Amino acid sequence: QKEVEQDPGPLSVPEGAIVSLNCTYSNSAFQYFMWYRQYSRKGPELLMYTYSSGNKEDGRFTAQVDKSSKYISLFIRDSQPSDSATYLCAMRTNNAGNMLTFGGGTRLMVKP
Amino acid sequence: GAVVSQHPSRVICKSGTSVKIECRSLDFQATTMFWYRQFPKQSLMLMATSNEGSKATYEQGVEKDKFLINHASLTLSTLTVTSAHPEDSSFYICSASLGRADTQYFGPGTRLTVL
Repeated sequence: QKEVEQDPGPLSVPEGAIVSLNCTYSNSAFQYFMWYRQYSRKGPELLMYTYSSGNKEDGRFTAQVDKSSKYISLFIRDSQPSDSATYLCAMRTNNAGNMLTFGGGTRLMVKP
Repeated sequence: GAVVSQHPSRVICKSGTSVKIECRSLDFQATTMFWYRQFPKQSLMLMATSNEGSKATYEQGVEKDKFLINHASLTLSTLTVTSAHPEDSSFYICSASLGRADTQYFGPGTRLTVL
């Protein structure tokens, strides 16, 4: 079993829909949680960076962390075709330096 | 802020040659830099971690003599693929962190094709 599980998709939604992307994990020591967006043939771009449980909002993006369930989510409101990309969740513990454990990524397609 | 560049973005070389890829943090000093490899439709595979002025730490299964990493300054790390072979063809991505409490910021990647 992988430490971080993420549905690979593809997830196809119509433009304007609310998108929910999720990751589950098994290591209760993870404290920092990130979401990256990766366009085809580009490097990952940091979208959200959260610590411990709770919600964080940035524009159309909301990140949620539920440590009791070992479950994190990224919501995208009013999705746009330009949101079509692969979304990677990543997480790390307090004492792992900057080492990240990644999910496999979910491919999202937003259709106009 | 937190911009990381990579050069070249794309390289094609003949089998047996060596290729150097540069990773630079443009607007911050990176205490740690990471090198990843990514195959099509797969997630990132960490190859090695490097701290400025010290030897890189390689992940299990990564040949340190084949993938030479140098982190000579707080803004520059290089990955040299020595005696490249077609199976080394891949997308190589670097990332950089400001400090232990920081996350990783990724470069745009380098596509290596070995003929």
